[in-house]
Amino acid sequence: DTGVSQNPRHKITKRGQNVTFRCDPISEHNRLYWYRQTLGQGPEFLTYFQNEAQLEKSRLLSDRFSAERPKGSFSTLEIQRTEQGDSAMYLCASSLVNRAEAFFGQGTRLTVV
Amino acid sequence: ELKVEQNPLFLSMQEGKNYTIYCNYSTTSDRLYWYRQDPGKSLESLFVLLSNGAVKQEGRLMASLDTKARLSTLHITAAVHDLSATYFCAVASGTYKYIFGTGTRLKVLA
Repeated sequence: DTGVSQNPRHKITKRGQNVTFRCDPISEHNRLYWYRQTLGQGPEFLTYFQNEAQLEKSRLLSDRFSAERPKGSFSTLEIQRTEQGDSAMYLCASSLVNRAEAFFGQGTRLTVV
Repeated sequence: ELKVEQNPLFLSMQEGKNYTIYCNYSTTSDRLYWYRQDPGKSLESLFVLLSNGAVKQEGRLMASLDTKARLSTLHITAAVHDLSATYFCAVASGTYKYIFGTGTRLKVLA
């Protein structure tokens, strides 16, 4: 499968725990994005990487959130001290530099109880 | 700050009918995308519109872009049940960020 891959697909965690999600983009894609989608809403931009450099981080990302993309390949999104408001679908997408289209992964659905 | 609005938010239509979904955005942009999302699934790319007057068609769906009016339309021709999904437009903000609309939930009734 050559699409964007996200793991895990579902995560249930207790409030206050830390969680980490992984995204493997399409192999030749330089750009990687994280979006968050809550029920009934469109995806909201969280952060963007070009290769290994994190070029933008949304105001939506509090200090509890951190994202990395070591070596410009896969990316991880970590949420520390989870809160119920963090419950959402976390979507990863990738695209080529100078290409217009972003391809989305299946997402990780986080439920904080 | 770029804002993207879609209407209608909900659309229930009979099979065989035609309808149009509208996507308005607030500031200049040179790229607009349409995506489809099925319940519990991720987003599937439908169309990429890169210039004023661009028109793309795939099956029963046709998308157009008017950058001067800051408006894109997604036209559905002779709807079938398989088109039931949520449709999002996304507008490029700068060189890499997409701003999504709130989506249009389409239900096609047999």
